[in-house]
Amino acid sequence: GQQLNQSPQSMFIQEGEDVSMNCTSSSIFNTWLWYKQEPGEGPVLLIALYKAGELTSNGRLTAQFGITRKDSFLNISASIPSDVGIYFCAGQLRDSNYQLIWGAGTKLIIKP
Amino acid sequence: ETGVTQTPRHLVMGMTNKKSLKCEQHLGHNAMYWYKQSAKKPLELMFVYSLEERVENNSVPSRFSPECPNSSHLFLHLHTLQPEDSALYLCASSQDRGGAWDEQYFGPGTRLTVT
Repeated sequence: GQQLNQSPQSMFIQEGEDVSMNCTSSSIFNTWLWYKQEPGEGPVLLIALYKAGELTSNGRLTAQFGITRKDSFLNISASIPSDVGIYFCAGQLRDSNYQLIWGAGTKLIIKP
Repeated sequence: ETGVTQTPRHLVMGMTNKKSLKCEQHLGHNAMYWYKQSAKKPLELMFVYSLEERVENNSVPSRFSPECPNSSHLFLHLHTLQPEDSALYLCASSQDRGGAWDEQYFGPGTRLTVT
């Protein structure tokens, strides 16, 4: 089946550092979504992207829809302890029935 | 109450039991989903309902049986499960605008353990 390659798998950073993660695929997507999941909770939608090249911010988070429509990245600036969690990308294929394809997640850990 | 709610939050069941998971959405959406989430793996779509009709069933074993009585409620009936079915089961909802489905919003999940 279709796959999204999400990297890195995990990140250990200091508070205040910037974070970058990305998702890539060999397929073309119509939509990219970024979610965050905290322990014991379901994924929460952070940013939705609909056009190639689109750059969207949500507070300290910025995400971009790649020009080729095969990738997307998420940046977090000046990380704080509450940023800890697992971040997932999800894409909606161009020629699909609008089913979302999910990455395996990036676990963000902030060193004390 | 807002968003997507799921009950129970935790469930432990034996392999011979029958139980049901419940999901309710308060967002006015017309599409609902069941996902299975296992550690370090992508979310696995199990079932999709749009306007109360099943539109997607990703080859899920028959020991999982969904039910969607109306656009706000979704159930997952479980029977004779296996230990490998232990996982977090997530419900989500979205708006189906005639083939273009908007962003999915998730409930907190039911942590299922099969003993």
